[in-house]
Amino acid sequence: DTGVSQDPRHKITKRGQNVTFRCDPISEHNRLYWYRQTLGQGPEFLTYFQNEAQLEKSRLLSDRFSAERPKGSFSTLEIQRTEQGDSAMYLCASSLFVTSPFTGELFFGEGSRLTVL
Amino acid sequence: DAKTTQPPSMDCAEGRAANLPCNHSTISGNEYVYWYRQIHSQGPQYIIHGLKNNETNEMASLIITEDRKSSTLILPHATLRDTAVYYCIPFAPHNTDKLIFGTGTRLQVFP
Repeated sequence: DTGVSQDPRHKITKRGQNVTFRCDPISEHNRLYWYRQTLGQGPEFLTYFQNEAQLEKSRLLSDRFSAERPKGSFSTLEIQRTEQGDSAMYLCASSLFVTSPFTGELFFGEGSRLTVL
Repeated sequence: DAKTTQPPSMDCAEGRAANLPCNHSTISGNEYVYWYRQIHSQGPQYIIHGLKNNETNEMASLIITEDRKSSTLILPHATLRDTAVYYCIPFAPHNTDKLIFGTGTRLQVFP
């Protein structure tokens, strides 16, 4: 079990640039979540997928943010025209959803830290 | 969503029991109480969850009051590796598919 992996672990970019983060979930997990975390706060939900379908997006996910999971395996989170306020840790999590309801057990990666200068 | 209240920080001596309280007075009947923790520079980690009855696993015990308005996570013999932020999260599996984190309790275990 390799766990949830995220890449890159750290990204420093200049304001206005685009950045993309990748998440590889645990292999048999069909659900994938993206959260954002700023210093001193708990993780904030951004969006989640079941297989390749994006089922929910938070209001926090502005039109500069887009997430995809094209084949139901890895996912990417792209931020266009980055702003300093986008500086945060971006966390990915996965879970196995086989029966209703959702069990609440998420497996998180170690996150991708974004710094926008 | 139920609102939770947790102390912002707590200290515990290594080897002693760490008791982390959480108030969730507005919890609804179908909401479970979940606990996660986040060690510095890592993603959150699931610890335990319960609905009404007390629960125990290899990591911790969860005590839920009879009225379900509060709960306590117990780490029976805290170690330095238990230093982390602990999140109490009411969650209703039938109503939503996402966990909503608060600000949690920062537990510092000291030698």
